Amino acid sequence: EDQVTQSPEALRLQEGESSSLNCSYTVSGLRGLFWYRQDPGKGPEFLFTLYSAGEEKEKERLKATLTKKESFLHITAPKPEDSATYLCAVQADTGFQKLVFGTGTRLLVSP
Amino acid sequence: KAGVTQTPRYLIKTRGQQVTLSCSPISGHRSVSWYQQTPGQGLQFLFEYFSETQRNKGNFPGRFSGRQFSNSRSEMNVSTLELGDSALYLCASSWGGGQRHYNEQFFGPGTRLTVL
Repeated sequence: EDQVTQSPEALRLQEGESSSLNCSYTVSGLRGLFWYRQDPGKGPEFLFTLYSAGEEKEKERLKATLTKKESFLHITAPKPEDSATYLCAVQADTGFQKLVFGTGTRLLVSP
Repeated sequence: KAGVTQTPRYLIKTRGQQVTLSCSPISGHRSVSWYQQTPGQGLQFLFEYFSETQRNKGNFPGRFSGRQFSNSRSEMNVSTLELGDSALYLCASSWGGGQRHYNEQFFGPGTRLTVL
């Protein structure tokens, strides 16, 4: 069974204090690993898709990396507006569009 | 380019009733997936429709059903509502396969269902 584990569950940072979120996964055959951001009461917002080990993608203060067992979302010099829940999901190569999600990391960035 | 839209945004129902939720995907997207989000279970896959056919289904009871129309719009139905069905129901659309970026899924704002 495909599984995704995210850590930590919650993270509190000071503005400008860089850190990383972890996503460990097991999947029969990985088609893609997805990162989303979700604000309270809203739908998840697409951030990145990573397809193969060694791949990296960047967007503003966020950088996602992928290995064969885990992915990291690095947040550099975060700002209060980066506060949100960050969700990781995997898509198996046999599951069509089905995403299996982790439980997320709640990030709070204080000014 | 308009995003994924879902209607209604909020619903309050009582146990035993049934409910229909609607999702309009991004123009050109042919795949629509539905997810249930609860504080205890997180985001869980319900089913996926592609070109009017259900091609994957999650582990939910038969009370949960869906369909897709020729214009790719999708509806989800829950019959005989239970208290535990209270959740945020999210739909996501994508091109639906083929080239890599065709798998990128974009979510709507969700429908918040409360069962009393």
